[in-house]
Amino acid sequence: AQTVTQSQPEMSVQEAETVTLSCTYDTSESDYYLFWYKQPPSRQMILVIRQEAYKQQNATENRFSVNFQKAAKSFSLKISDSQLGDAAMYFCAYKGYGNKLVFGAGTILRVKS
Amino acid sequence: DAGVTQSPTHLIKTRGQHVTLRCSPISGHKSVSWYQQVLGQGPQFIFQYYEKEERGRGNFPDRFSARQFPNYSSELNVNALLLGDSALYLCASSLDGSLSGNTIYFGEGSWLTVV
Repeated sequence: AQTVTQSQPEMSVQEAETVTLSCTYDTSESDYYLFWYKQPPSRQMILVIRQEAYKQQNATENRFSVNFQKAAKSFSLKISDSQLGDAAMYFCAYKGYGNKLVFGAGTILRVKS
Repeated sequence: DAGVTQSPTHLIKTRGQHVTLRCSPISGHKSVSWYQQVLGQGPQFIFQYYEKEERGRGNFPDRFSARQFPNYSSELNVNALLLGDSALYLCASSLDGSLSGNTIYFGEGSWLTVV
């Protein structure tokens, strides 16, 4: 079975600075997708960024980028120029052949002004 | 276009009762999945339906069941409610049920409290 581990229960960052959230996963599948979702207090899960395992190039979406290390099974999220609106719970998720999302336990991100 | 809509948004039930949660996917999406999110944890997969057929089931007891209708909307049913069933139930929709990078969109969830 696939597992996703987020080892940082909580992180803090100063507004306008950069923060990196860690995620590792375990799988024996060769084809899969990885995602970072943001869940604000409203509880709606919002897709932040997606990475296809077959692509070596790291995905980037504006201030959000990932560092995908396939051999190490690592998938970290970097948030640049952090904003107050970035404060939320962030979940790393895996999708493989089962076509279900397997989520990590989440990291609470606090942004200080 | 409307996003994934779920109802009810909040409900309180008593132990032993039954509950039905409803979900309408994004227009054109044929796959609906259900997730349970207990406070402080990540969502756990319950079911996936595609074209009205069950495509996947998570590690949940038989008290949990679901179905998908011809219009692709879905219901999640939970019988004989336990206190531990208290959680946020998330519905997610996507275009298809295959392994793809198609984005999975979530609704705002149904908060279930069992007392």
